[in-house]
Amino acid sequence: DAGVTQSPTHLIKTRGQQVTLRCSPKSGHDTVSWYQQALGQGPQFIFQYYEEEERQRGNFPDRFSGHQFPNYSSELNVNALLLGDSALYLCASSSILAGAPTGELFFGEGSRLTVL
Amino acid sequence: RKEVEQDPGPFNVPEGATVAFNCTYSNSASQSFFWYRQDCRKEPKLLMSVYSSGNEDGRFTAQLNRASQYISLLIRDSKLSDSATYLCVVNILTGGGNKLTFGTGTQLKVEL
Repeated sequence: DAGVTQSPTHLIKTRGQQVTLRCSPKSGHDTVSWYQQALGQGPQFIFQYYEEEERQRGNFPDRFSGHQFPNYSSELNVNALLLGDSALYLCASSSILAGAPTGELFFGEGSRLTVL
Repeated sequence: RKEVEQDPGPFNVPEGATVAFNCTYSNSASQSFFWYRQDCRKEPKLLMSVYSSGNEDGRFTAQLNRASQYISLLIRDSKLSDSATYLCVVNILTGGGNKLTFGTGTQLKVEL
């Protein structure tokens, strides 16, 4: 049973560029959440997708956008990159279909973005 | 004020020690509570849920005090393998669904 997979694992960009990160949820999961984790901090909620729609959003600017596909996979796009966007970007999947959410998120290993 | 607050540590303890982590949350609408563990340069993983009645899983005990908006995690007989960052997590049910909010994490180092 494949867990949550993310790509790429590492990438380096320069200020002003754009980046797309990809996530495939755990088999049987229909909800994808994205988190940003800066060094020494806990994961910060960016947004959550369910049924191909953004259901919730954290305190992130519009430069951060996303998409969910019919197969439940998801992309995170960040435009006009800033130095402060350097972080580990974590994708987490869960299942609403399974009933009342338990709060357990299954995380991928993350995409480590460095902005120079 | 942060939604979830934790002492970042690090807590350096000898093997076999008992260590306790505390966490407070600000949103009284918070519905469920968890502790996640994150190893260095790895993804977070669920350690245990936290219930008002308190719950235990082997050497780990979690407690919730809703009146004080306070959560704790107790680790007994610490092992070297317990060294990690422990993240306090609060789940708030909104119209859009569940939203998990993480604390900054408390770093534990268990030493020989």
